[in-house]
Amino acid sequence: EPEVTQTPSHQVTQMGQEVILRCVPISNHLYFYWYRQILGQKVEFLVSFYNNEISEKSEIFDDQFSVERPDGSNFTLKIRSTKLEDSAMYFCASSKWSYGYTFGSGTRLTVV
Amino acid sequence: GENVEQHPSTLSVQEGDSAVIKCTYSDSASNYFPWYKQELGKGPQLIIDIRSNVGEKKDQRIAVTLNKTAKHFSLHITETQPEDSAVYFCAATTYSGNTPLVFGKGTRLSVIA
Repeated sequence: EPEVTQTPSHQVTQMGQEVILRCVPISNHLYFYWYRQILGQKVEFLVSFYNNEISEKSEIFDDQFSVERPDGSNFTLKIRSTKLEDSAMYFCASSKWSYGYTFGSGTRLTVV
Repeated sequence: GENVEQHPSTLSVQEGDSAVIKCTYSDSASNYFPWYKQELGKGPQLIIDIRSNVGEKKDQRIAVTLNKTAKHFSLHITETQPEDSAVYFCAATTYSGNTPLVFGKGTRLSVIA
């Protein structure tokens, strides 16, 4: 069964450093998403991406965040200057239509 | 925007019993309601979904019901097994357009053998 692949599985970074979280969506999917989950809390929407541009973003997705689909297969989330409160699990998801998401296994980001 | 409330936050059942998790949503425009199962250290996995043009959908031991008027939807797991132990999330969105999936807070289900 096709999978969404995320790397790395765990990333530890110093506060103020930049991190890039990587995702390889399912190949024939057209919609791409990033969500995050702070430990023990619900899964929160960050951003959706369709047709090579952001289609929707939440209040969480401020100027320190950016997304990119650099080569037609990868989908990245960049956090420019990490803060302690950015520590969370970050999930990438993709879908063929605007529903029926498939999620990756996540990247655990720890900011120290 | 959409707001999804989910209850209970934790649920313990004996193996073989049924489990019911309930959700409400606020946006009457929502018409697609998936349920996700999240096991420890993994991403949410879609287990069943329902669209607003039906009131019930069943897949083996799992069923979902939808009451559009009351804006309620529920997940029913029958004959629970230890491997059903996980966190279950309900969610809501529209299946057309760019409205993102909005999740409930999750229910930690423990099936006791």
